[in-house]
Amino acid sequence: EVQLVESGGGLVQPGGSLRLSCAASGFTVSTNYMSWVRQAPGKGLEWVSTIYSGGPTYYADSVKGRFTISRHNSNNTVYLQMNSLRTEDTALYYCARDIGYSGYDWGYWGQGTLVTVSS
Amino acid sequence: IQMTQSPSSLSASVGDRVTVTCRASQTISHNLNWYQQKAGKAPKLLIYGASSLQGGVPSRFSGSGSGTDFTLTISSLQPEDFATYYCQQTYGSPRDITFGQGTRLEIK
Repeated sequence: EVQLVESGGGLVQPGGSLRLSCAASGFTVSTNYMSWVRQAPGKGLEWVSTIYSGGPTYYADSVKGRFTISRHNSNNTVYLQMNSLRTEDTALYYCARDIGYSGYDWGYWGQGTLVTVSS
Repeated sequence: IQMTQSPSSLSASVGDRVTVTCRASQTISHNLNWYQQKAGKAPKLLIYGASSLQGGVPSRFSGSGSGTDFTLTISSLQPEDFATYYCQQTYGSPRDITFGQGTRLEIK
C-alpha cells in the first residue's frame, strides 16, 4: 500500500528556514515523479515543486530560488528545503505522487504538514 | 496558463445531475485533471487526461472536453459528494502547473 507521511512543519519567522520531509512506503521514490503542493488557509491548491524520477527538479515561480526539492533513496524520503520564508508561504504542504500518466496526476497524497510564517 | 472554474459555488440536492466547468486561458489539449477535496482532507484524484476515471472512483463521475473547455459531471449526487472540486492543467509542465480556484458543492 502506498503511503506518504509528511513532517517538519511548524512556526518560523519571516526570513527563516524549514525542511519538510515526506517518508514514502509501498513504492520507491526514485522511480516516480514526486511533488509538493500547498494550500494556504481557506484557499485553493498551488503546485510548488516536482522532482522527476531521472533527477531534474522544477519549481513554481513563487518559490524558485528559495525552495529546493530533493530525495534520499536510502530512506525513501523526499525533502523540501525552504529558505527565506515569507508570510505568504504559510500553508498546509502536501507531498504527492503521480499515477504514472503525465507525472502531475496526483493519485497519492500525504496528510499534509502545516507551515506558519509569522513574527 | 490560467484556469477558471464556474460556478464558484453550487447548491444541489441528492440525486441531482451536476456539472462544473473549467476553462483554460489557452489550449491545453486533454491535459486536465479533476480533484475532489473534503474539509480537512487531502485532495482526491477523480479524473485524469480530461476523461479517464481514476481507479476506485464511482462511475457517476465523468469528465469531458478538450482544448480550452472542460466539464466534470456527477450524474446523480450522493451525500458523500458534497465537497470542493478543483480542475488542474498539466499542459504547461514542467514549470507551469495550475489549478482552478475551486467549486464548492453544497447541500441545498
